[in-house]
Amino acid sequence: SQTIHQWPATLVQPVGSPLSLECTVEGTSNPNLYWYRQAAGRGLQLLFYSVGIGQISSEVPQNLSASRPQDRQFILSSKKLLLSDSGFYLCARGGTGEQYFGPGTRLTVT
Amino acid sequence: QQPVQSPQAVILREGEDAVINCSSSKALYSVHWYRQKHGEAPVFLMILLKGGEQKGHDKISASFNEKKQQSSLYLTASQLSYSGTYFCGTTGGGGADGLTFGKGTHLIIQP
Repeated sequence: SQTIHQWPATLVQPVGSPLSLECTVEGTSNPNLYWYRQAAGRGLQLLFYSVGIGQISSEVPQNLSASRPQDRQFILSSKKLLLSDSGFYLCARGGTGEQYFGPGTRLTVT
Repeated sequence: QQPVQSPQAVILREGEDAVINCSSSKALYSVHWYRQKHGEAPVFLMILLKGGEQKGHDKISASFNEKKQQSSLYLTASQLSYSGTYFCGTTGGGGADGLTFGKGTHLIIQP
């Protein structure tokens, strides 16, 4: 089976601190990977997607960045968090058209 | 551009039917439907592709009108477990594009 892991599950960080969220995928090679954010009570917003190692496409200009150092690893980072970065961060992998979400990381910036 | 979902919220009795709609102002290649329970990640329900192909759960049905750029999700004989927020996500092309999601439809099923 193809499993998506996200780490950590929850995180509380002060404004101005750095961020690193990790997503790893099992059971498939060279998957398309995606980062979405869901603000409280809102819909999902696409942040980044990647079709392979080192290939990142950004959808929304902001203080976040993404990297894909390994085939099955996708990392979301920030050098300095803002209050508006709070939300539910979801990693997704592409299948044969459809996308499946990981369990998510709930980030609160204080 | 973000697709528009309607209605925003629905309250049903167990066993009743519901239809959730998703419409876009631009041409669509695919429509994806998800259900999200409070505090959890969205769960894939169905994908509908331009040309008529569909993939998803046996107990879920949906339609995709390519000309009108609209999709509808049909929930029949609703069960308590159907409660949650339903999102449609769309793509305009067939590549690796991410999804553009609607704001969601809140569905509450009462016993």
